[in-house]
Amino acid sequence: LAKTTQPISMDSYEGQEVNITCSHNNIATNDYITWYQQFPSQGPRFIIQGYKTKVTNEVASLFIPADRKSSTLSLPRVSLSDTAVYYCLVGGAGSYQLTFGKGTKLSVIP
Amino acid sequence: NAGVMQNPRHLVRRRGQEARLRCSPMKGHSHVYWYRQLPEEGLKFMVYLQKENIIDESGMPKERFSAEFPKEGPSILRIQQVVRGDSAAYFCASSLAGGPDEQYFGPGTRLTVT
Repeated sequence: LAKTTQPISMDSYEGQEVNITCSHNNIATNDYITWYQQFPSQGPRFIIQGYKTKVTNEVASLFIPADRKSSTLSLPRVSLSDTAVYYCLVGGAGSYQLTFGKGTKLSVIP
Repeated sequence: NAGVMQNPRHLVRRRGQEARLRCSPMKGHSHVYWYRQLPEEGLKFMVYLQKENIIDESGMPKERFSAEFPKEGPSILRIQQVVRGDSAAYFCASSLAGGPDEQYFGPGTRLTVT
């Protein structure tokens, strides 16, 4: 399983764009990159998934460079309710064993 | 459309007692996964079940832990003779199909062993 590295914590003011980068140097050819969000005392929630280039949905964008050794989750105009832990996961297309690291604790400040 | 339900949300057990955690998957989902989260850590996979079958229990401790997903009723994670190290949040997830299909997580059961 590809190991992921992401910052332990980040702070941001409300209304700013937040970019969280995840390193996955040993990503395999058939691995996808998935991001989850977890609020205190709740289970993780799927945010976005991608394989290469850029993926965008109503919540976030995911940027993946050509070498796929890293990825960046972009949250536009964060609000206080975006305060949570964000996890970057890397796994094969057929993988059901989700492997969570320690994640990035995002604190949004008013 | 109710999401994944887990009960109880909080469970306190004395050392040596049994803990029984329940998970009702989303309607129509027949694949269930259990994860454990220790304080300040990410979730760790424990077991994957389909109705009446254990598909993969590679993440589950060999002793004291067992899981089932009967034909009728919720999935149950059972921990016998609990120890302080079992204190953690236990999350259940379900999916419509197996493999990489998106997993939907429940709110978790926070087990405290005193």
